[in-house]
Amino acid sequence: DADVTQTPRNRITKTGKRIMLECSQTKGHDRMYWYRQDPGLGLRLIYYSFDVKDINKGEISDGYSVSRQAQAKFSLSLESAIPNQTALYFCATRDRRSTDTQYFGPGTRLTVL
Amino acid sequence: LAKTTQPISMDSYEGQEVNITCSHNNIATNDYITWYQQFPSQGPRFIIQGYKTKVTNEVASLFIPADRKSSTLSLPRVSLSDTAVYYCLVGDPRSYNTDKLIFGTGTRLQVFP
Repeated sequence: DADVTQTPRNRITKTGKRIMLECSQTKGHDRMYWYRQDPGLGLRLIYYSFDVKDINKGEISDGYSVSRQAQAKFSLSLESAIPNQTALYFCATRDRRSTDTQYFGPGTRLTVL
Repeated sequence: LAKTTQPISMDSYEGQEVNITCSHNNIATNDYITWYQQFPSQGPRFIIQGYKTKVTNEVASLFIPADRKSSTLSLPRVSLSDTAVYYCLVGDPRSYNTDKLIFGTGTRLQVFP
């Protein structure tokens, strides 16, 4: 089983709809991240969380919100989706107790029409 | 946060050694240097991490000069499957304030037969 899972893997929605992307991890890591990637571009950080009670904005948080329901779950919401939020979204986790790396989920491809 | 600069793209042929250099002039004392590899439509995956001098694993080598203002990822004898985007990240994994793990646009490596 994958350590970091994302649901859904693909989603097509319409402008103005509310969308939630979910991320779950079994690695026991305290830190979780949401990134978006646009074609030909690198990853941009949307939000990150260092533990259940800690949520921080990243580079491009406008139009997004997050919820850390438990240490293992970190959800990303688009309250009112717009076409320029069409992108590939990645969730990642990391363990603050070491210099270990980030582990990424498989990604969610979101299309907003 | 230490800003990184890498070439946008590089081309190589199978069997050649590829060296990708990353500049990070304002690297902090506690910062580590981490390289990731990303294939299309997949999340990035860890390649190698180092603090100073040289680090080698089964995939790559990482060379870091004494001043740590740059680093070079070396991929020996590349194959077509090494075609990917490579990201250089600099940060202190244990630091609350700097562990945002900001990705740039990376270096797109194309390996030809």
